[in-house]
Amino acid sequence: DGGITQSPKYLFRKEGQNVTLSCEQNLNHDAMYWYRQDPGQGLRLIYYSQIVNDFQKGDIAEGYSVSREKKESFPLTVTSAQKNPTAFYLCASSMMRLGLAGSETQYFGPGTRLLVL
Amino acid sequence: DAKTTQPNSMESNEEEPVHLPCNHSTISGTDYIHWYRQLPSQGPEYVIHGLTSNVNNRMASLAIAEDRKSSTLILHRATLRDAAVYYCILKSSGSARQLTFGSGTQLTVLP
Repeated sequence: DGGITQSPKYLFRKEGQNVTLSCEQNLNHDAMYWYRQDPGQGLRLIYYSQIVNDFQKGDIAEGYSVSREKKESFPLTVTSAQKNPTAFYLCASSMMRLGLAGSETQYFGPGTRLLVL
Repeated sequence: DAKTTQPNSMESNEEEPVHLPCNHSTISGTDYIHWYRQLPSQGPEYVIHGLTSNVNNRMASLAIAEDRKSSTLILHRATLRDAAVYYCILKSSGSARQLTFGSGTQLTVLP
């Protein structure tokens, strides 16, 4: 089955610890995204990548880092600099359509819920 | 990015049609109108999108006003599984590919 997988489903972070959230897709999509969702709120963009070895900051990139070494994978690291990391993290991907970016649709993974101990 | 305005919440009875409104008075000519929904504790799911003409798919219909300043997502027969937050999002054809989410409409379906 094609889709996006995120792991783990729940993640606990201790004070001062870096944690990495996994996101893998087998849809052969070019673009991948990380969003953060706080309770009762919409999603906010953290980072996105349109091609391997390249990525751009979103609206709330501070305290996060990413890598895109393979087309299928886009892991997100929540660093100790992120002072309020408790949230629901969602990864998404899309097939890029040159000149028709407005019609691109995104596919989302099931999410990882990060909690601070 | 052009903004959208949606009611915070709506209720519907099971097996009845539901009309979810969205206002986007500052929409530009190249902005597509997208709808996604998010069930509790899950990732958002694409529902439908359109540019100017009304659109139908297996999940829903999208009715777009002639001046494009508003649109309506139509669920033809609501089921309990349709209870979710529905997001109306404008997506431009510029280089930015991310989705900009508002707070959406919480749809409650009553049995």
